[in-house]
Amino acid sequence: KAGVTQTPRYLIKTRGQQVTLSCSPISGHRSVSWYQQTPGQGLQFLFEYFSETQRNKGNFPGRFSGRQFSNSRSEMNVSTLELGDSALYLCASSYWTSGANEQFFGPGTRLTVL
Amino acid sequence: GEDVEQSLFLSVREGDSSVINCTYTDSSSTYLYWYKQEPGAGLQLLTYIFSNMDMKQDQRLTVLLNKKDKHLSLRIADTQTGDSAIYFCAEIGNDYKLSFGAGTTVTVRA
Repeated sequence: KAGVTQTPRYLIKTRGQQVTLSCSPISGHRSVSWYQQTPGQGLQFLFEYFSETQRNKGNFPGRFSGRQFSNSRSEMNVSTLELGDSALYLCASSYWTSGANEQFFGPGTRLTVL
Repeated sequence: GEDVEQSLFLSVREGDSSVINCTYTDSSSTYLYWYKQEPGAGLQLLTYIFSNMDMKQDQRLTVLLNKKDKHLSLRIADTQTGDSAIYFCAEIGNDYKLSFGAGTTVTVRA
């Protein structure tokens, strides 16, 4: 079974621009979560989508948004980029019915904002 | 999920056991996890434990959970150079969010 894939792997943008990151979950997984990883703040939860609905949201400004498609693929968008948005953005998928909800992570997208 | 804390660094000699400790605050945590992150890579799920268990063993990995003290540990037996990485503990409660600790950087020295 293929793992979680994220595209692009690396991205360089300038302040004020917007960016869209993509995540393809493991086949059959219906839940996709997004996390931001920075040296200063560590791993922080952005949001989670399940069956095309945002089920949960972390404490990030409205510039961060996401969506999930009917095939469970997900995108996240960051508008009006700031220098502090430079981070590794990780997506994780899980089957999520009940139980351990093991989340499997992709390799991440490294975003650099100049 | 709420706060999850873990020590930042651990240095261990090859062949010895490593013990990484973690504390959490959310009493509604249902599952607790250990993830490993190698340089330039995403997170790899190592193991997890259900909150009503005390211990789980999986090959070289042993997870101990003290629910009363909200303390979780990961023991790696016979630590190898390939075990050098950052280890994150995480918990999930009824809100479906994974809350991570800051990560423990494990360095294995020859």
